[in-house]
Amino acid sequence: GQQLNQSPQSMFIQEGEDVSMNCTSSSIFNTWLWYKQDPGEGPVLLIALYKAGELTSNGRLTAQFGITRKDSFLNISASIPSDVGIYFCAGYYTGANSKLTFGKGITLSVRP
Amino acid sequence: NAGVMQNPRHLVRRRGQEARLRCSPMKGHSHVYWYRQLPEEGLKFMVYLQKENIIDESGMPKERFSAEFPKEGPSILRIQQVVRGDSAAYFCASSQPGGREQYFGPGTRLTVT
Repeated sequence: GQQLNQSPQSMFIQEGEDVSMNCTSSSIFNTWLWYKQDPGEGPVLLIALYKAGELTSNGRLTAQFGITRKDSFLNISASIPSDVGIYFCAGYYTGANSKLTFGKGITLSVRP
Repeated sequence: NAGVMQNPRHLVRRRGQEARLRCSPMKGHSHVYWYRQLPEEGLKFMVYLQKENIIDESGMPKERFSAEFPKEGPSILRIQQVVRGDSAAYFCASSQPGGREQYFGPGTRLTVT
């Protein structure tokens, strides 16, 4: 099946730093979603992207839908301790109906 | 709170027993999706349902697993004769008709002993 690639598996940053994550696919996706999951909880939708090239912000988070439609980026600015968690990219590839495909996630740690 | 609700949050079953997981979608949402998550893995799609209809069950194991979303009441994911390999977190998500944004519940953590 289709796969989304997220790497590295873990990232460690200092509080106040910016961090960027990307997500790539070998197939074209027509929607990209970014979720954050805290331990023991369900994923929470952060940002949704619908058009190639689209750049969308949600507070300190900014995400972009790649021009090739095969990648997406999430940037977190001025990180704070509560940014700790697992960040998943997810998307619909053309023809997949409503079946979301998820990356394996990036675990973000923020050092105070 | 009008979010997606799942119960129970934790479920322990012995091998061979049945597990029933429930999901109530967000208010105004009529589409429900079930996903399974193993440790250090992303979520894997299992099944997509609308009221009284299974739309896509391509991610469901062929045996022992079934799902329904009746006209009244929550969606149910049923796992019969559970085995240790069924231990995982099961998440339900819901969306509006035609919506591409899926909103997740808190999950049910199933442990098979």
